[in-house]
Amino acid sequence: QKEVEQNSGPLSVPEGAIASLNCTYSDRGSQSFFWYRQYSGKSPELIMSIYSNGDKEDGRFTAQLNKASQYVSLLIRDSQPSDSATYLCAVSAGANNLFFGTGTRLTVIP
Amino acid sequence: DTGVSQDPRHKITKRGQNVTFRCDPISEHNRLYWYRQTLGQGPEFLTYFQNEAQLEKSRLLSDRFSAERPKGSFSTLEIQRTEQGDSAMYLCASSPFTGQGRVDEQFFGPGTRLTVL
Repeated sequence: QKEVEQNSGPLSVPEGAIASLNCTYSDRGSQSFFWYRQYSGKSPELIMSIYSNGDKEDGRFTAQLNKASQYVSLLIRDSQPSDSATYLCAVSAGANNLFFGTGTRLTVIP
Repeated sequence: DTGVSQDPRHKITKRGQNVTFRCDPISEHNRLYWYRQTLGQGPEFLTYFQNEAQLEKSRLLSDRFSAERPKGSFSTLEIQRTEQGDSAMYLCASSPFTGQGRVDEQFFGPGTRLTVL
């Protein structure tokens, strides 16, 4: 079982819709959770961090964490073509480093 | 620009040669990480420093790889006797250390793309 699992996609949504990205993880002791956006050929860019159960909102982005279900998600409201990218879920491994998923490729159709 | 910087951005080398990459973290960050990313995969952790101390190395990091952060500022990653399988994007990230017993937010540099012929 991989430490972090994501659906590789591609996930296609129309412009203005809500995009929902999901991630599950295997280590019950994980304490830190992150979503990164990565455009093709570029490095990952931090979008959201979440450390506690529940929702965290930042602009059009909402991260949701459920530690009991070992599940973290990212919602993107009012999706824009510029949101088209690969979204990486990252989960802490101990107190020092991160495991990344393979990413979900999102395409927003104008 | 006060973000993480990496140099060079691209490196093409022949198998068997040594290469060295540099990373300059965000100035107030005392944690520095190296990752490797291949096509279609997420970044894989290689090693990390807190100040000048190298505190953890991945089992992925063979003896041909060495990293340093001599003054707790910039870091170098050297690969000796490169192999074609070393071709990847090498990413550096830095983070503050909040002392809250968790992994803090990490900010990535632009990466160094290595091609081994």
